[in-house]
Amino acid sequence: AQTVTQSQPEMSVQEAETVTLSCTYDTSESDYYLFWYKQPPSRQMILVIRQEAYKQQNATENRFSVNFQKAAKSFSLKISDSQLGDAAMYFCAYRSGLIQGAQKLVFGQGTRLTINP
Amino acid sequence: DGGITQSPKYLFRKEGQNVTLSCEQNLNHDAMYWYRQDPGQGLRLIYYSQIVNDFQKGDIAEGYSVSREKKESFPLTVTSAQKNPTAFYLCASIDQTGGPDTQYFGPGTRLTVL
Repeated sequence: AQTVTQSQPEMSVQEAETVTLSCTYDTSESDYYLFWYKQPPSRQMILVIRQEAYKQQNATENRFSVNFQKAAKSFSLKISDSQLGDAAMYFCAYRSGLIQGAQKLVFGQGTRLTINP
Repeated sequence: DGGITQSPKYLFRKEGQNVTLSCEQNLNHDAMYWYRQDPGQGLRLIYYSQIVNDFQKGDIAEGYSVSREKKESFPLTVTSAQKNPTAFYLCASIDQTGGPDTQYFGPGTRLTVL
């Protein structure tokens, strides 16, 4: 079974600074997807960024980028120019690339990010 | 606007009662999911359905039941057999017909057992 581990329960960063959230995962599959979701106080789960395992290029979405290290099974999220609105719980998630399957997401425990003004 | 709606936002249940959480989507997605979130933890899969009139157990299905009579709707019933039902429940759906196949979530229902 696949597992996802986020080793940082809490992180904090000064506004406008850069912060990196860590995520490691364990799988025997070669085809899969990785995601970062943001959960603000409203508790709505919002997709931040996704990465296909077959792509070597790291995904980027505006101020958000990932460092995908397939061999190390590492998938960290970098937030540049942190803003107060970035404060939230961040979840790393894994999904198998198998066409036949549940397409379910396996989540890490989450990292609570605080932005200091 | 296309999206996923869940109701109610807050739900209180007495011990021994069954309650049903609603999940509706107008995204024309085939697959729908129910997740449970406990404080300080990630989400865990309860049930999922990839097509109308079919559904499968997830990792923590005991004490829950679902139905999928319509593509748009995937209600979750929390039965009295669920020993610790107080949690936050999230519904999600995904387009499996060649779209971006990313799961999108509803706003959630907070269930509290009194």
